[in-house]
Amino acid sequence: GAVVSQHPSWVICKSGTSVKIECRSLDFQATTMFWYRQFPKQSLMLMATSNEGSKATYEQGVEKDKFLINHASLTLSTLTVTSAHPEDSSFYICSARDGRGFGLSDTQYFGPGTRLTVL
Amino acid sequence: GESVGLHLPTLSVQEGDNSIINCAYSNSASDYFIWYKQESGKGPQFIIDIRSNMDKRQGQRVTVLLNKTVKHLSLQIAATQPGDSAVYFCAEKMSFGNEKLTFGTGTRLTIIP
Repeated sequence: GAVVSQHPSWVICKSGTSVKIECRSLDFQATTMFWYRQFPKQSLMLMATSNEGSKATYEQGVEKDKFLINHASLTLSTLTVTSAHPEDSSFYICSARDGRGFGLSDTQYFGPGTRLTVL
Repeated sequence: GESVGLHLPTLSVQEGDNSIINCAYSNSASDYFIWYKQESGKGPQFIIDIRSNMDKRQGQRVTVLLNKTVKHLSLQIAATQPGDSAVYFCAEKMSFGNEKLTFGTGTRLTIIP
């Protein structure tokens, strides 16, 4: 159990275009999902916390108008990188918190990541 | 500021030997710690977790030790295998109910055949 998927696994786009990345919890309901960005040989950096049915909470320094997050259901959150530029090229990873039980309520399960390359 | 850091960025271990990956944290209010394994091009994979009311927890071939006195966390992997080669991250949560995880810088473990 506790499987998280992401789509697409990789995407190449031209500068100025927008890219949407989907994150799904396949076998559990995720009231909270998280979006991270990871540059090569670096750790994960939290971008935003996404709660189902409400606005996302962005970390300091993350532009909410550039990185649009929608969490429309308990199993799906989307991240849209608007007007992408080469510096947005990175590995984007989502995670979901399994809220089924107290013992699992703190655990975050991660998706496989999406490699974004902006030309 | 508060941080979670690792002592060594790289670690090489002979196949079959045991490995120990260390992590230091600075916030005494942290009460939940997790170890993740990340293979190249993949998302982090949950390995084991521990709460601050425990000092040791064991899983399959892995053991996590927590020393709250010196704010130190370690991951022990027994009888290492080539598939254990990856980057290992420790992560912490500051308080129950605060959803955010803070990740350490990561240690690359290489198993030598």
